[in-house]
Amino acid sequence: ETGVTQSPTHLIKTRGQQVTLRCSSQSGHNTVSWYQQALGQGPQFIFQYYREEENGRGNFPPRFSGLQFPNYSSELNVNALELDDSALYLCASSRDSGTGSEQYFGPGTRLTVT
Amino acid sequence: GENVEQHPSTLSVQEGDSAVIKCTYSDSASNYFPWYKQELGKGPQLIIDIRSNVGEKKDQRIAVTLNKTAKHFSLHITETQPEDSAVYFCAAKRPTGGGNKLTFGTGTQLKVEL
Repeated sequence: ETGVTQSPTHLIKTRGQQVTLRCSSQSGHNTVSWYQQALGQGPQFIFQYYREEENGRGNFPPRFSGLQFPNYSSELNVNALELDDSALYLCASSRDSGTGSEQYFGPGTRLTVT
Repeated sequence: GENVEQHPSTLSVQEGDSAVIKCTYSDSASNYFPWYKQELGKGPQLIIDIRSNVGEKKDQRIAVTLNKTAKHFSLHITETQPEDSAVYFCAAKRPTGGGNKLTFGTGTQLKVEL
């Protein structure tokens, strides 16, 4: 069984630029959630994708957007990058979007905005 | 929304001793409580979870207890080993709304000393 993978591992961007992060879900999983983890903090929920549609969103502005593809992989896009966007971005996949569905995280993408 | 508090922020134990990490949650509707272990440079790893219809769950050296009335849950690690050293996060999830949103605590840095 293939685990959750993310790319790239690290990324450095300049304020105002746009970035795209990618995630491949674990085999057999159809739901992907994205989290932002600032240094020394717990992950914060950005949004979730199920059946290629966003079906849950945390307190993040519209410049954070995403996509899910028919193979259940997903992208996180962030426009107009700000310094505070510097964080570890985590993708988690689950078997479905149900209440007790276990979420398994990928290794994350470390984004640095200068 | 849900708020999860976690204590202590750091915990140092001698190898072989037990470690206990405690979390409280604010939303009485939350019904799923996972625990994650995060090692340096890696994504969170699901180590155990508990649902609200269960008071205790055990998996080898790890156990989790849940007190729904008091809205708190705890992680117990017995016979600690150096490889248990990591940051541990508790989380809580509502049954409806927000998709698969997990609300995380702020983490506990566990150090197991030889």
